[in-house]
Amino acid sequence: DVKVTQSSRYLVKRTGEKVFLECVQDMDHENMFWYRQDPGLGLRLIYFSYDVKMKEKGDIPEGYSVSREKKERFSLILESASTNQTSMYLCASSLFGASVNQPQHFGDGTRLSIL
Amino acid sequence: SQQGEEDPQALSIQEGENATMNCSYKTSINNLQWYRQNSGRGLVHLILIRSNEREKHSGRLRVTLDTSKKSSSLLITASRAADTASYFCAKAGTALIFGKGTTLSVSS
Repeated sequence: DVKVTQSSRYLVKRTGEKVFLECVQDMDHENMFWYRQDPGLGLRLIYFSYDVKMKEKGDIPEGYSVSREKKERFSLILESASTNQTSMYLCASSLFGASVNQPQHFGDGTRLSIL
Repeated sequence: SQQGEEDPQALSIQEGENATMNCSYKTSINNLQWYRQNSGRGLVHLILIRSNEREKHSGRLRVTLDTSKKSSSLLITASRAADTASYFCAKAGTALIFGKGTTLSVSS
């Protein structure tokens, strides 16, 4: 069965720390995505990647970076965590290409608190 | 914002009743997907409707798409307590553009 695994379900970090959120998929999907989800705002796309070492900015990339060194792994990095980055972070993957008609498969999310 | 707007934001019904939620965008829709999210979990894909389809069924789900109105609806028939979740529409853009979601509560 399709599986997207996020490394932590809950994470508490301090302001100014560099934070790494890890996501691994076992479906050999080319596309991977990072979203943040906030009450009343729905899902907002942070970054996505269509291939290894490739990345594209989403709607809210400020304060974040990503790394995709291997096909199955997509990391989200908060360069210097701030309290307004407290949120639920969701990783997703989908089949090849720029086809956004493919269903996305989601991990269970990481609830990140920045104190 | 390109995000979709969903209506209603919250819906409470009894088991056995039908639940209808609507989704609209300011810009054109080609293909559209619907997802469900149980509390504290990730999203699960429910159904995809293509721009050349007006209606699509999957089990107790019925989805309609009106590209002229830039809107879609999701109907869940004979709701069950297990249908309690948030439901999101998502249209194709450079990446998927999600709506803000409808929270459905089904009580027994």
